[in-house]
Amino acid sequence: SQQGEEDPQALSIQEGENATMNCSYKTSINNLQWYRQNSGRGLVHLILIRSNEREKHSGRLRVTLDTSKKSSSLLITASRAADTASYFCATAKGAQKLVFGQGTRLTINP
Amino acid sequence: DGGITQSPKYLFRKEGQNVTLSCEQNLNHDAMYWYRQDPGQGLRLIYYSQIVNDFQKGDIAEGYSVSREKKESFPLTVTSAQKNPTAFYLCASSIGGAGLSETQYFGPGTRLLVL
Repeated sequence: SQQGEEDPQALSIQEGENATMNCSYKTSINNLQWYRQNSGRGLVHLILIRSNEREKHSGRLRVTLDTSKKSSSLLITASRAADTASYFCATAKGAQKLVFGQGTRLTINP
Repeated sequence: DGGITQSPKYLFRKEGQNVTLSCEQNLNHDAMYWYRQDPGQGLRLIYYSQIVNDFQKGDIAEGYSVSREKKESFPLTVTSAQKNPTAFYLCASSIGGAGLSETQYFGPGTRLLVL
């Protein structure tokens, strides 16, 4: 299975701290995507990183991809209460459908 | 306002009843998807469609059916054959045309509960 697995399953930090979540997968991929889901809502796309890219930034988000280790990390800097959500990685092999991981539940404490 | 809408927000099903969840998009996307999410879990693909009048089974299609008669609409029917339908159902779409690995845009979801 090429399913991504997020680590940790849950993360609780203080507002202002950085949050790092990891995603590991098993087979070669075309791209890896990160999504956010607020409680009881739909998913929102954050970043897509292709297999030939190593790092991408979007605002306070930084995503890295290490294809040799088959892993990716999502860093959220200077966290805010509004960042409280579940974060999912999704992997795609070639043109095949996305496969979502189980998610990391992030809680930002005031 | 461009986006994906799902209705209803909550749906209650009685034993032996078929229910239909609505999904509409005005993004002019070719591909549409239905996912099921159980509490604390990731998303599992039920059905997907890459073009009008065509759709394929995902990983957990048993007990579900879909249609794609219009580009904008991809309704999901939860049939009585689905014995454990209680879940959060998410519809998504993507541009399509280059496979299924592009960015997906999600609706707000429908929560299905069994009476």
